[in-house]
Amino acid sequence: AAGVIQSPRHLIKEKRETATLKCYPIPRHDTVYWYQQGPGQDPQFLISFYEKMQSDKGSIPDRFSAQQFSDYHSELNMSSLELGDSALYFCASRPSPSLNTEAFFGQGTRLTVV
Amino acid sequence: LAKTTQPISMDSYEGQEVNITCSHNNIATNDYITWYQQFPSQGPRFIIQGYKTKVTNEVASLFIPADRKSSTLSLPRVSLSDTAVYYCLVEGAGAGSYQLTFGKGTKLSVIP
Repeated sequence: AAGVIQSPRHLIKEKRETATLKCYPIPRHDTVYWYQQGPGQDPQFLISFYEKMQSDKGSIPDRFSAQQFSDYHSELNMSSLELGDSALYFCASRPSPSLNTEAFFGQGTRLTVV
Repeated sequence: LAKTTQPISMDSYEGQEVNITCSHNNIATNDYITWYQQFPSQGPRFIIQGYKTKVTNEVASLFIPADRKSSTLSLPRVSLSDTAVYYCLVEGAGAGSYQLTFGKGTKLSVIP
C-alpha cells in the first residue's frame, strides 16, 4: 500500500542557507502535519493543513513556512538555517482531521546544518 | 489540549506483559486517546485508539476507566522488537481546529 513519502531523506545545508522539505501524503488524505524531532527529543508539532488551508500552528519558527498544494502534497520551507535546526522532520497524513482516523507518518527527512 | 503524563522509561523481560499507564486528568468529553510507537529514526506508528472501556487489536489492548482520566496500554508477551518509545496522545477539537500533539513518551526496553 502507498505510504507517506518524504523527500529528500537526507539533507546537509550550511548555516544561513535555505531548505525545502517535501511531503506526499497517502492518496485521498487531505490533512498533513509537520513535526520536528531533535536528537533524543519527542516530536514537536510545527504546523498542519486541511484541504490546502493551514489548520493549526505549533512551535514553528518565523523563519519556517509551509503550504499545501492542490494535489495535497506539502512543502516546508526553512530559511536562515541555524545549527539548532538540525533534526529529523516528519510529516504525517490522515484521511480527515476527524478523531477516529489514524495518522500515517513518513520516514522523515534528516536535516543537518553545518 | 489535555496534558498527558507517562513514565519516562520501563524495562521488561521478553515474554512478559507490559502495561504503560498514561494520565490525562483534564481530558474533554469529545477527546479520544491514541497510542503511537516510535523506533529510532523512524516515524511514529499508530498502535491503538479508544474512547472508553476496552479496545483490543492484534498488537495491543487499551483500557480506559469510566472517569477517562487515565488509560493503560497493554502489550502482551513483549519481544525484543517491541523496544521503542510509546506515546499517549489525547486528540480533540480546540478553537475550531484539530491537533496531534506528542508529549513525553515512555521508552520501553525489552531485555532478553
